Amino acid sequence: SQKIEQNSEALNIQEGKTATLTCNYTNYSPAYLQWYRQDPGRGPVFLLLIRENEKEKRKERLKVTFDTTLKQSLFHITASQPADSATYLCALFTNAGKSTFGDGTTLTVKP
Amino acid sequence: DAGVIQSPRHEVTEMGQEVTLRCKPISGHNSLFWYRQTMMRGLELLIYFNNNVPIDDSGMPEDRFSAKMPNASFSTLKIQPSEPRDSAVYFCASSPAGQGYEQYFGPGTRLTVT
Repeated sequence: SQKIEQNSEALNIQEGKTATLTCNYTNYSPAYLQWYRQDPGRGPVFLLLIRENEKEKRKERLKVTFDTTLKQSLFHITASQPADSATYLCALFTNAGKSTFGDGTTLTVKP
Repeated sequence: DAGVIQSPRHEVTEMGQEVTLRCKPISGHNSLFWYRQTMMRGLELLIYFNNNVPIDDSGMPEDRFSAKMPNASFSTLKIQPSEPRDSAVYFCASSPAGQGYEQYFGPGTRLTVT
């Protein structure tokens, strides 16, 4: 069955460092991979999308990579800030639009 | 734009009662998604629509759940009869289909079935 695994439930880092979150998947051939941010009591917020034929995408301090051979995506936040503290969700999408979300990684950035 | 609108924001009901959750997607978006989020199971896709047509409802837990999208600006998710295990946060999201399905989520409805 399809499975998405995001690295450790919680990640704690010091302000200014780079946070790296991992998303691994099995039994899936996604057309798109997306990353979302979710704050407590709120709905997920879209951050970045990367297509299966793309290796890397950047947006300001965010970078996502997509390796379809390893079946893995890495999500980086550079120069992290306490305001980046949240839960980050990885989501895989088929061409038809069907989505599967990972359980998320909770990031805490300490000042 | 007001974003995706969901109502009610909180719903407390007794087991056996009918519950109806409502969603207004962002104007111009072609796709609409209903999700359920719990601590145990994470964020689960229940059903999604393209141009008001249900495309995949394989995530709907059982016959007690039904969803409709009578027009491009309104969708409902109904649970009848409700059970305590249906307690969760239900999210609606919409997407401008054809652009990678980046989704815009509503604030959610927190459902508690006692």
